[in-house]
Amino acid sequence: DVKVTQSSRYLVKRTGEKVFLECVQDMDHENMFWYRQDPGLGLRLIYFSYDVKMKEKGDIPEGYSVSREKKERFSLILESASTNQTSMYLCASRTIMAGSTYEQYFGPGTRLTVT
Amino acid sequence: GIQVEQSPPDLILQEGANSTLRCNFSDSVNNLQWFHQNPWGQLINLFYIPSGTKQNGRLSATTVATERYSLLYISSSQTTDSGVYFCAGFDGTASKLTFGTGTRLQVTL
Repeated sequence: DVKVTQSSRYLVKRTGEKVFLECVQDMDHENMFWYRQDPGLGLRLIYFSYDVKMKEKGDIPEGYSVSREKKERFSLILESASTNQTSMYLCASRTIMAGSTYEQYFGPGTRLTVT
Repeated sequence: GIQVEQSPPDLILQEGANSTLRCNFSDSVNNLQWFHQNPWGQLINLFYIPSGTKQNGRLSATTVATERYSLLYISSSQTTDSGVYFCAGFDGTASKLTFGTGTRLQVTL
């Protein structure tokens, strides 16, 4: 079974703090994604990574950065947390190997509150 | 990019009832998936169904790619089916999933 894990289920941080959200997948997937989900706005893509050390901006990258030093790990960084970054953060991964289904799998999510 | 619309937006069922959820997309999509988001927020994969029909227990799904829609059938609903159901797909050129607006299902006793 594919497993995508996230470092925390719940996190409370103060305004201005630097925040790291970690995501690990155990299926050697090439692509990894970070989304945020807010009521009424659905899931919005923040950043994605095609492979190690590669990254692409999604729809709402402002205020975030990412790091992918190893294939299994994709980190989302809030450089200076703000209250409008209070949200549910979801990580996902998928493989693009020939013959695969390209099915995307999600982690359990991190509910971040910035006070 | 593609647009993905789901209907109905909200649905309340009594336990044991059947339902059909619909997903319409504005252009051809690849790799259509259905997800269930449980009350704790996790997105659970239900079906990967770019075309055709699949069944898994009480759930089944059909995608008619040429007519740009997909259906999710839930039979003999249970309270544990409650949550939000999303469909999502990749368009021909993009590398990211576009999600529908979701159907919020509540199953009551």
